[in-house]
Amino acid sequence: GENVEQHPSTLSVQEGDSAVIKCTYSDSASNYFPWYKQELGKGPQLIIDIRSNVGEKKDQRIAVTLNKTAKHFSLHITETQPEDSAVYFCAASGPGGSYIPTFGRGTSLIVHP
Amino acid sequence: DAGITQSPRYKITETGRQVTLMCHQTWSHSYMFWYRQDLGHGLRLIYYSAAADITDKGEVPDGYVVSRSKTENFPLTLESATRSQTSVYFCASSDLSGGSEQFFGPGTRLTVL
Repeated sequence: GENVEQHPSTLSVQEGDSAVIKCTYSDSASNYFPWYKQELGKGPQLIIDIRSNVGEKKDQRIAVTLNKTAKHFSLHITETQPEDSAVYFCAASGPGGSYIPTFGRGTSLIVHP
Repeated sequence: DAGITQSPRYKITETGRQVTLMCHQTWSHSYMFWYRQDLGHGLRLIYYSAAADITDKGEVPDGYVVSRSKTENFPLTLESATRSQTSVYFCASSDLSGGSEQFFGPGTRLTVL
């Protein structure tokens, strides 16, 4: 089955800096890669996703890049703000797993004012 | 109200007791999921359901039972609770057609004494 590794487990940055979270996956057939943000006491919420026919996708301060050859994808947050502090999860899914997502273990992002 | 809801939000029970966590969604999504979230483990899939009366095991199904008699409801039962089942439980729903967003509920914090 699919295996997703996520790094780092904790990331501490100063307000205004950029943050990058990286994930690798094992199943070359995976073709959908969402990123979820989980604020304290809440359920995860989708912030951006990318499909395998696209190399990069941006939404304001957030971007995701995908390297299919290397089987890794990354979340980039620019000009971080304190409200970006949360746990971020990557996931991968595809026909090999009947599109049931496999999640990474999460990254706790702390943005210091 | 539209969305996905879980009840109760908090539950304290004793070892050996039966506990049922409820999940209800209003979108008529075909897929529903149960995850547990523990520190250091991220989101681990317990069970999922592709449609009414169709359920399947996830990564950590032991000690749990699910049913899905109606599309909108997906209850999770701990038949004889153990301390190791102390966790935060999240329900999610999705269309999952070709890979798509999962919508998560607010979670249930369960403590087994």
